[in-house]
Amino acid sequence: EADIYQTPRYLVIGTGKKITLECSQTMGHDKMYWYQQDPGMELHLIHYSYGVNSTEKGDLSSESTVSRIRTEHFPLTLESARPSHTSQYLCASSSGGLSTDTQYFGPGTRLTVL
Amino acid sequence: KNQVEQSPQSLIILEGKNCTLQCNYTVSPFSNLRWYKQDTGRGPVSLTIMTFSENTKSNGRYTATLDADTKQSSLHITASQLSDSASYICVVSDRGSTLGRLYFGRGTQLTVWP
Repeated sequence: EADIYQTPRYLVIGTGKKITLECSQTMGHDKMYWYQQDPGMELHLIHYSYGVNSTEKGDLSSESTVSRIRTEHFPLTLESARPSHTSQYLCASSSGGLSTDTQYFGPGTRLTVL
Repeated sequence: KNQVEQSPQSLIILEGKNCTLQCNYTVSPFSNLRWYKQDTGRGPVSLTIMTFSENTKSNGRYTATLDADTKQSSLHITASQLSDSASYICVVSDRGSTLGRLYFGRGTQLTVWP
């Protein structure tokens, strides 16, 4: 079982609210990632980080922002949630590069914006 | 265009039976191919990873094959169990590097009935 945690697991909020999805890992991995996944669809990379103070946007355009102040913590923030943000958000980490190493995933946060 | 296609989209089998899931890809250059298992409401968990030179890899009752010439992979599940019910995702990496990327399939939803 991978030691990567996400909170909350489920979140239902109204339009316009600011939210932060938490992700923490205890494996000491330098690389961390955020994916967005809709039902029956593939995962899309929205943000990644190769270490502290390093963040990059992924393949899928997202209105969210991330920060990496500590190695173990990689929170994702939506300043003003909209119904189009309704999705499952998966956090992952790895010790190697994006395409060279196995990623360990958290359990996900299912976000519903009304 | 780099793509990963999986078939079938969904599959129902009886407990104890075997099954084979398919993955075809057009990703080039190729670095490695992974199969992940994703239980409902959970993050994906790695089952196998194969590089260009490997054509088969096993993990318990799971056996993955890779034909890099035809760009096809399969995941064979032997003596299925109820706990095998999940989505199985094929993920292909392009040439391994820090800047490489992953291409995700949409998954095959497997349901095992008693």
